[in-house]
Amino acid sequence: DTAVSQTPKYLVTQMGNDKSIKCEQNLGHDTMYWYKQDSKKFLKIMFSYNNKELIINETVPNRFSPKSPDKAHLNLHINSLELGDSAVYFCASSQDREKLFFGSGTQLSVL
Amino acid sequence: GDSVTQMEGPVTLSEEAFLTINCTYTATGYPSLFWYVQYPGEGLQLLLKATKADDKGSNKGFEATYRKETTSFHLEKGSVQVSDSAVYFCALSGRRDAGKSTFGDGTTLTVKP
Repeated sequence: DTAVSQTPKYLVTQMGNDKSIKCEQNLGHDTMYWYKQDSKKFLKIMFSYNNKELIINETVPNRFSPKSPDKAHLNLHINSLELGDSAVYFCASSQDREKLFFGSGTQLSVL
Repeated sequence: GDSVTQMEGPVTLSEEAFLTINCTYTATGYPSLFWYVQYPGEGLQLLLKATKADDKGSNKGFEATYRKETTSFHLEKGSVQVSDSAVYFCALSGRRDAGKSTFGDGTTLTVKP
């Protein structure tokens, strides 16, 4: 069983569209995250939820809205997509607040 | 704030060569230190970690020692294989939340047969 799974793996869309990425973890972890990795592989945290409560919200445009229906799921909704949103988005989870478990990523391409 | 500086890449080595990827950090308190590896098309996965000064993390032939006096956590492997080709990230985490882990910029390693 995959520990942290996210869908879709690839997402190609037009500018201005709205899209969602889903993430689920079966590790029983309390904390989940969204990271963005750009084309140069730089990794930046976007959001963190602990037991469905938002605890980290870095400087991210309001067009990005995370939603956590329960502690095993953290979805990312993006409104009005822009070219600059093209990147790989990673979901992650942690329990001991030290090491992170990452999903395999969603490659978003905005045309 | 916290920061991690790691050796710029890309790094290209021949199989069985010795690998060092340098990593230094600045942080308040006593962070935990990590190396993550990202194979092509995959997410990051933990390679090794160390949680206090002088600890040595090791896994799959890779090693790194937490050096507080030099604020470093260099990654080493005695003999690399083609399958080690990946992007390596040094990271630190304060005690409070792993989500605020600070990552280095990543070093791409290519090992040629």
